[in-house]
Amino acid sequence: GPKVLQIPSHQIIDMGQMVTLNCDPVSNHLYFYWYKQILGQQMEFLVNFYNGKVMEKSKLFKDQFSVERPDGSYFTLKIQPTALEDSAVYFCASSLGTGGSDYTFGSGTRLLVI
Amino acid sequence: AQSVTQPDARVTVSEGASLQLRCKYSYSGTPYLFWYVQYPRQGLQLLLKYYSGDPVVQGVNGFEAEFSKSNSSFHLRKASVHWSDSAVYFCALRRTGGYKVVFGSGTRLLVSP
Repeated sequence: GPKVLQIPSHQIIDMGQMVTLNCDPVSNHLYFYWYKQILGQQMEFLVNFYNGKVMEKSKLFKDQFSVERPDGSYFTLKIQPTALEDSAVYFCASSLGTGGSDYTFGSGTRLLVI
Repeated sequence: AQSVTQPDARVTVSEGASLQLRCKYSYSGTPYLFWYVQYPRQGLQLLLKYYSGDPVVQGVNGFEAEFSKSNSSFHLRKASVHWSDSAVYFCALRRTGGYKVVFGSGTRLLVSP
């Protein structure tokens, strides 16, 4: 079936540096999401993006976080500056619509901030 | 606000035995309910979803779930588990017209030989 691709699969970065996580969503999907999963814990919603705008974000989506999808390219999550507590697996997802529309998840980017 | 509770962090069953993973939700309206499975180092894969109609919904790989409005539950079942079913299972909810999906804390299933 259609896939969401996440690049890179792993990233190690020094605390305070900037990191950009890339997501290539399913081609006809319109809604894009980032979730954060700390090892062994549940998936926590970060942000939803549609039509060039953030539609909803959680308290975990700190001021240091930003998202964009310039010109239909990658949907990106940028963290600047990074903090130790940002270490987690970040999952991108996309969906055609809201409500009962299925999410398609990527395989995640494992971010380690040292 | 909506929430999802999976009371069992870990479940161990023998191969061939039946399975039930519990899920309770909190939401004042009628939610979209989902079960996802996560294999190691992979993203979540949808097993099944429910919104309306027959409260028992069939999913992939022999899984089914039953919605109960009176109990605010959406338990996942399988008649006979296989070792390859070992994974983490997440129950999730999305409100009507909503954007985000709210996940439970997950249940780690171990199928023993």
